[in-house]
Amino acid sequence: GAGVSQSPRYKVTKRGQDVALRCDPISGHVSLYWYRQALGQGPEFLTYFNYEAQQDKSGLPNDRFSAERPEGSISTLTIQRTEQRDSAMYRCASSFGGELFFGEGSRLTVL
Amino acid sequence: AQSVTQLDSQVPVFEEAPVELRCNYSSSVSVYLFWYVQYPNQGLQLLLKYLSGSTLVKGINGFEAEFNKSQTSFHLRKPSVHISDTAEYFCAVTGHNAGNMLTFGGGTRLMVKP
Repeated sequence: GAGVSQSPRYKVTKRGQDVALRCDPISGHVSLYWYRQALGQGPEFLTYFNYEAQQDKSGLPNDRFSAERPEGSISTLTIQRTEQRDSAMYRCASSFGGELFFGEGSRLTVL
Repeated sequence: AQSVTQLDSQVPVFEEAPVELRCNYSSSVSVYLFWYVQYPNQGLQLLLKYLSGSTLVKGINGFEAEFNKSQTSFHLRKPSVHISDTAEYFCAVTGHNAGNMLTFGGGTRLMVKP
């Protein structure tokens, strides 16, 4: 596609449910990044991939968070047993030539 | 590790006036610096970046920023703002060997008034 595509754009879920957020990067971009942005704050790094290999997951807050990119293209960020503190905008970006291209984000609200 | 401080959470300014959005960083290693803009309901868009060379960097939409290593600053400036510049602006830093694992500041909301 022309840009980074994220789905769903909005997700409301109840505490304790699992959620999966999807990112479709720009075609041909090797690197894919996940960031989380709480209201009124800047984005925080979560994890990134080169092709299908997860290179760094130091930003994942705890073991309820996981990410995969099995075929080196689309990536899924999964949050298990969601908690209210997980509510945030989750942003995906892909990279080419050192520049990050961000998607519009998935806003997660945990009730 | 790096950190970024954007000293102003909101900056109101009248149309056609100059503006400066402040950014200071800390890092134990050499860094690359970035400014991103976020318009309502849109993704983050790169305004400009400093990688090396001239410390004055020009970006899109008439914005520029100056890297000052001694003051660990990377302030964003525009000589004359437009209503359409109303947005949230984020300063970000990464270490030379950290790829695009950016550390962002908290953001500055620029509000341009007619």
